[in-house]
Amino acid sequence: ETGVTQSPTHLIKTRGQQVTLRCSSQSGHNTVSWYQQALGQGPQFIFQYYREEENGRGNFPPRFSGLQFPNYSSELNVNALELDDSALYLCASSQRDSLSYEQYFGPGTRLTVT
Amino acid sequence: GQQLNQSPQSMFIQEGEDVSMNCTSSSIFNTWLWYKQEPGEGPVLLIALYKAGELTSNGRLTAQFGITRKDSFLNISASIPSDVGIYFCAGFFGGTSYGKLTFGQGTILTVHP
Repeated sequence: ETGVTQSPTHLIKTRGQQVTLRCSSQSGHNTVSWYQQALGQGPQFIFQYYREEENGRGNFPPRFSGLQFPNYSSELNVNALELDDSALYLCASSQRDSLSYEQYFGPGTRLTVT
Repeated sequence: GQQLNQSPQSMFIQEGEDVSMNCTSSSIFNTWLWYKQEPGEGPVLLIALYKAGELTSNGRLTAQFGITRKDSFLNISASIPSDVGIYFCAGFFGGTSYGKLTFGQGTILTVHP
């Protein structure tokens, strides 16, 4: 069984730029959720993708957007980067059609905005 | 919005001691999850709780879903150095908030050999 993978591991961007982060879900899972984890904080829910559509969104502006592909992998796009976007970005996969609400996380992408 | 308060914020213990931490909420949750995160890694799921009053164990870890559905507890028995990390509780309400896990601020555990 393949776990959740994310790429890249680290990324440095300049304020105002755009970034794309990628996530491959665990085998057998059809749902991907994205979280932002600032230093010293717990993860904050950004949004979830199921059946290639956004399904639930946290308190994040529209410049945070995403995609899910037919193989259930997902992308997180952030436009017009701000310094406060510096954080660890985590994706988590789950199987929505099961009775379990367990989410399994990838190792994260560390984004630094300068 | 839903808020989770996790305590203590940090713990410094000796190897072999037992550890207790808890999580309280102003709102009801239908599922409680406990995760452990080590430096440079994503959170790893330790225990999932689905029913009020439920007590579940995973090796030396035991977690309980509070009967009010507004709290949860995690105990670690006979701690060892590899227990070091940050422990997070996470609650899930369900319904239209499907997929949204609300996390606590974390408890930093340090184990001295």
